[in-house]
Amino acid sequence: DSGVTQTPKHLITATGQRVTLRCSPRSGDLSVYWYQQSLDQGLQFLIQYYNGEERAKGNILERFSAQQFPDLHSELNLSSLELGDSALYFCASSVGPDTPLHFGNGTRLTVT
Amino acid sequence: AQTVTQSQPEMSVQEAETVTLSCTYDTSESDYYLFWYKQPPSRQMILVIRQEAYKQQNATENRFSVNFQKAAKSFSLKISDSQLGDAAMYFCAYSERGANSGGGADGLTFGKGTHLIIQP
Repeated sequence: DSGVTQTPKHLITATGQRVTLRCSPRSGDLSVYWYQQSLDQGLQFLIQYYNGEERAKGNILERFSAQQFPDLHSELNLSSLELGDSALYFCASSVGPDTPLHFGNGTRLTVT
Repeated sequence: AQTVTQSQPEMSVQEAETVTLSCTYDTSESDYYLFWYKQPPSRQMILVIRQEAYKQQNATENRFSVNFQKAAKSFSLKISDSQLGDAAMYFCAYSERGANSGGGADGLTFGKGTHLIIQP
């Protein structure tokens, strides 16, 4: 158990809808990362937050947004969903700079 | 942009044998981190081993060791005495070292993965 909790485990929704994925980092970790894993694109970095502030952006679509709350949990919001957004979404956390990432078990999103 | 290449989509090895998974990467940085992550069917991403580029000594973790060739930008993973529980997807990953990084200022860049099959 990595200590990173992601909910829900599975999510099935229709095109055009909006969903929110939730992540609770390991106790004491200040950094939260979101990754998308799909068959086409592999594992892609989406966005990083550190202690409530956005630190880095990767290949995150404009339809996607995220935030990190004062209690350090994070949410990834996906809107106007398309079939191609179906993927496994991982959250990872770390203590801070130059420390290893620990991944949650992911949320499997299926868009129909 | 950094890229990570894993040229072996699938590898198969007999239980108790040794297998080496290949990884090459491209970067203009001199200081960075390299990782191997394991993703079993449970789909969790598990850190196997981590290498800091400024350290010449190859990292080892029990049956797992790496061959880090900085000049060649090569980072292979050797698994000794393979066990059935080693069956998984293995991902090589790169990250920069820096003040904003917690694994990298731009997060981890992953290869496409190698599916490792362990034959009993």
